[in-house]
Amino acid sequence: RKEVEQDPGPFNVPEGATVAFNCTYSNSASQSFFWYRQDCRKEPKLLMSVYSSGNEDGRFTAQLNRASQYISLLIRDSKLSDSATYLCVVNSGANAGKSTFGDGTTLTVKP
Amino acid sequence: EPEVTQTPSHQVTQMGQEVILRCVPISNHLYFYWYRQILGQKVEFLVSFYNNEISEKSEIFDDQFSVERPDGSNFTLKIRSTKLEDSAMYFCASSRTGRVGEAFFGQGTRLTVV
Repeated sequence: RKEVEQDPGPFNVPEGATVAFNCTYSNSASQSFFWYRQDCRKEPKLLMSVYSSGNEDGRFTAQLNRASQYISLLIRDSKLSDSATYLCVVNSGANAGKSTFGDGTTLTVKP
Repeated sequence: EPEVTQTPSHQVTQMGQEVILRCVPISNHLYFYWYRQILGQKVEFLVSFYNNEISEKSEIFDDQFSVERPDGSNFTLKIRSTKLEDSAMYFCASSRTGRVGEAFFGQGTRLTVV
């Protein structure tokens, strides 16, 4: 089983749609969780951290379920500019150390 | 906005040659990382560096790899004898706090081994 497993995708949605991605992790000792965004052939950029209580940033909502060991990302009112690969990142320590990236889920938003 | 810069953006090298990939982290950052991403695959952690020494490394980071902070501003990754399978995008990242979610990535160096 992979340490971090994401929805395989790709997701193709129309503008304005709501889309959700899931990510599961195998290490129950994992401590910190993040969603990154990666545009084609570019560097990963932090989209948002994921907190136990769930958190929202504009159109983006992240949730963490420790009992089931998964995190999710919800994008509302999707825009063309949201087209990218979304990476789930899990870290088992307080420091960055061996952070584990998921394979990524590709989203294409179409007009 | 401060950024992590990497040079070169693309390097082509012959198998067996040594390469040095260079990174200039954000100036007040204390933690430095190298990751790689083989084309079409996921981002993989290689090594983290703090206080002038390696703090963690992955199984990928074998004896062929080394890192150095030679002059207080640059952070380099050396691959001693490149193999075809070393072809990948190499990302440098730096962080002030050491938390992965607070790490900024450089734009990457695409290494092509022929």
